[in-house]
Amino acid sequence: DVKVTQSSRYLVKRTGEKVFLECVQDMDHENMFWYRQDPGLGLRLIYFSYDVKMKEKGDIPEGYSVSREKKERFSLILESASTNQTSMYLCASSFQGSRGHLNTEAFFGQGTRLTVV
Amino acid sequence: GNSVTQMEGPVTLSEEAFLTINCTYTATGYPSLFWYVQYPGEGLQLLLKATKADDKGSNKGFEATYRKETTSFHLEKGSVQVSDSAVYFCALSDRWDFGNEKLTFGTGTRLTIIP
Repeated sequence: DVKVTQSSRYLVKRTGEKVFLECVQDMDHENMFWYRQDPGLGLRLIYFSYDVKMKEKGDIPEGYSVSREKKERFSLILESASTNQTSMYLCASSFQGSRGHLNTEAFFGQGTRLTVV
Repeated sequence: GNSVTQMEGPVTLSEEAFLTINCTYTATGYPSLFWYVQYPGEGLQLLLKATKADDKGSNKGFEATYRKETTSFHLEKGSVQVSDSAVYFCALSDRWDFGNEKLTFGTGTRLTIIP
C-alpha cells in the first residue's frame, strides 16, 4: 500500500517561529504536493514538485517555501509563522502520468493541524 | 483557470436515504474527474474517478457520471449508511506540463448520516 507520512499530527508554534512540516512517501512517486485545508475554502495548493530539487508555486505560496532534496521527502517551511497560517496541512504524492494519460490519483497523508499562537 | 464548484454543506440525511452531492467544473481541454472522501481525523482518499466523457466511476455503492455537456460530475448513492458520514471533495486533474497533472479541489461537502 502507498504510504504518505507526515511527521506530526498536531503542532503548536509561536508567531515568528520558523516551522518545518515534513512529508515522506514510500512509493517512488515523482509528484508531491502541499495543500492547506480550511473550512469553507476546501483544499488550496501551496506548492508542488515534480522532481527532486524542482518546485512550482501553487495558488497560495506567500509566506511558505519548500524543499525537495530527495525524491521521497517534501518539506514545507513557514519562514515566520503567523496566526493566519493556523490550518490543517495536507501532503500528497502521485505518479507522473504519461502523455495523454490524465488519470492521476493522489495519495494523502493524515494531515498536520498547525496552530500558531 | 480551472475550477470546481460543489454544493454547499452541511448535508444531513437519515440512514437509507438517497444521496446526491452536486459538482460542476470549468476546465480547458479534457480533465479527469475525481471524488475524494475524508473520514474524521484522516487524510483524503480516492473514492472514485472518471477519465473521459460518459464514463461512470463507482465504488462502495457511490456512483458519478462524467457529463461533458453539462460539465458535471454529481455523486450519488442509493442508500446511505452512518459510516458514510465524512467530507466529500470533487476534484479535477489539470495538466500543467507534459505528463504531469495537479488536482484542483472543490470546497468540500460535509455529510452527516443519522440513524
